[in-house]
Amino acid sequence: GIQVEQSPPDLILQEGANSTLRCNFSDSVNNLQWFHQNPWGQLINLFYIPSGTKQNGRLSATTVATERYSLLYISSSQTTDSGVYFCAVSSNKLIFGTGTLLAVQP
Amino acid sequence: KAGVTQTPRYLIKTRGQQVTLSCSPISGHRSVSWYQQTPGQGLQFLFEYFSETQRNKGNFPGRFSGRQFSNSRSEMNVSTLELGDSALYLCASSLARDSHEQYFGPGTRLTVT
Repeated sequence: GIQVEQSPPDLILQEGANSTLRCNFSDSVNNLQWFHQNPWGQLINLFYIPSGTKQNGRLSATTVATERYSLLYISSSQTTDSGVYFCAVSSNKLIFGTGTLLAVQP
Repeated sequence: KAGVTQTPRYLIKTRGQQVTLSCSPISGHRSVSWYQQTPGQGLQFLFEYFSETQRNKGNFPGRFSGRQFSNSRSEMNVSTLELGDSALYLCASSLARDSHEQYFGPGTRLTVT
């Protein structure tokens, strides 16, 4: 089956810093999503991005499908950005990476 | 438009019991998928329902089952609960199958004692 790897596993930032999270996947996919899991466990949709680049405020994402990776950029980080970020890919079901645990310190 | 809702939000059961969890998708969404999240195994796909039919199933024992109703609401059932079934169970809905963005509910946190 498809393998999804995320890096780094953990990241500690000072408020205001920028960061890049990476997602590598092992096979062609027709769906790629980025999520932020809040402290209560809910997965919040960040991007649906099977290819190309999208931006939403301080967050942006790029997926290069031919090279099987996606990047999530967080600029000017805030403490509310803390949590776990998941990348998930799908042909017919979402396969999740192990996540990046982000801690933004004031 | 209301999001995906799941009930109950928290549940405590004892080993050997069974449990039923409910999921109401976003209005107009016809596909419902279920996922299990545990610290050891991460987020794993359980099954997907579309038009009241199970379309896809993950690698879970037969104690895990589900169904979907004509209004797209879905239930999942776990029989003969084991301690290892303690997890966050997440439901997701999408407009249709394949290549469609999935939206998640808040989850049901199940504790088996």
